[in-house]
Amino acid sequence: DAEITQSPRHKITETGRQVTLACHQTWNHNNMFWYRQDLGHGLRLIHYSYGVQDTNKGEVSDGYSVSRSNTEDLPLTLESAASSQTSVYFCASSEGRGETQYFGPGTRLLVL
Amino acid sequence: AQTVTQSQPEMSVQEAETVTLSCTYDTSESDYYLFWYKQPPSRQMILVIRQEAYKQQNATENRFSVNFQKAAKSFSLKISDSQLGDAAMYFCAYRSVGNDMRFGAGTRLTVKP
Repeated sequence: DAEITQSPRHKITETGRQVTLACHQTWNHNNMFWYRQDLGHGLRLIHYSYGVQDTNKGEVSDGYSVSRSNTEDLPLTLESAASSQTSVYFCASSEGRGETQYFGPGTRLLVL
Repeated sequence: AQTVTQSQPEMSVQEAETVTLSCTYDTSESDYYLFWYKQPPSRQMILVIRQEAYKQQNATENRFSVNFQKAAKSFSLKISDSQLGDAAMYFCAYRSVGNDMRFGAGTRLTVKP
């Protein structure tokens, strides 16, 4: 069965370190997204991609970057982790731009 | 910018009863999609139901149905015959064609046995 996976599921890091969260989907979807979830805010979009070599900034992109070198993967990098980036991160993918998004299981990141 | 508002941070319902979760949104677009997602304690985001704005008929999925009022920009979720497994956070989401998805802050639903 097609799926979307995230790794690691839990991560503890220190402020100033570079951190990369992986997202891998086997749906063969062109569109991939990264969200963060914080209490009282629901999910907020960080970055998204509509295809290989395409990346776009979302609502809360500062301090994050993504790259899309193939259809299956969209890694999210925190260039210099900050305590404000402690959150739960979700990756999602969809077939079309208006289509349903399917979510990964999430990564809980703690920045000390 | 599009915004999604869920005015009920918490709701509770007795098992086997019916509950309605509210959602309103703000947009100037005419073509868009609306979604309800469920997030149980496992944190997995699960699609409950989806509505295309151009469709006048309200979407239904088994015990889940929506009341879509386009003019009022309202999109409520009705859960009938509530079950213990329905307990979760519920998120309303909006997406216009070619734009990113916006989520509400969520409603925590408790189901009492």
